[in-house]
Amino acid sequence: AQTVTQSQPEMSVQEAETVTLSCTYDTSESDYYLFWYKQPPSRQMILVIRQEAYKQQNATENRFSVNFQKAAKSFSLKISDSQLGDAAMYFCAYRSWANNDMRFGAGTRLTVKP
Amino acid sequence: DTEVTQTPKHLVMGMTNKKSLKCEQHMGHRAMYWYKQKAKKPPELMFVYSYEKLSINESVPSRFSPECPNSSLLNLHLHALQPEDSALYLCASSQDERPGRSITDTQYFGPGTRLTVL
Repeated sequence: AQTVTQSQPEMSVQEAETVTLSCTYDTSESDYYLFWYKQPPSRQMILVIRQEAYKQQNATENRFSVNFQKAAKSFSLKISDSQLGDAAMYFCAYRSWANNDMRFGAGTRLTVKP
Repeated sequence: DTEVTQTPKHLVMGMTNKKSLKCEQHMGHRAMYWYKQKAKKPPELMFVYSYEKLSINESVPSRFSPECPNSSLLNLHLHALQPEDSALYLCASSQDERPGRSITDTQYFGPGTRLTVL
């Protein structure tokens, strides 16, 4: 079974600075999807960014970018120019190509300091 | 429109009650999901419906009974729950294109129903 590991329970960043959240995963599959979701105190899960495993190019969405290292099974999220609204729990998630089963990491709580 | 709606927002029930959670999407998605999320924990997959058929059941106790009446609607029927079942219940949907998959097969989540079992 696939497992997702987020080794940083909590992170903090100064407003306007850059922060990187780590995620590693374990799988025997060659094709899969990876996601970062954000969950603010409202508890709504919001998609931040997604990556297909067969794409070598790292995904970017405005201030959010990933560093996808397939061989190392690593999928980190970089947030540039951090804003107060970025404060939330961030979950890394793995979704199998073969089915709809999605597994989440334990999450990293990000605090943004003004 | 990437909206998934869930009702009710909050639910308090006794262990002998029968209640239902409702989830709805109008994005034309053909896969719908139920997750359970305890406080300070990640969501845990419970059930997946694909094209109105149950495709994944993660060994969930029978006191939780899912139902997918049509492609837009997903229900979770609750009966004889335990206090440890208190949690946030999240619904999600995705395109689930056939054949093959595409990047559009991303799961979009509803706001959740906060369930308290007394």
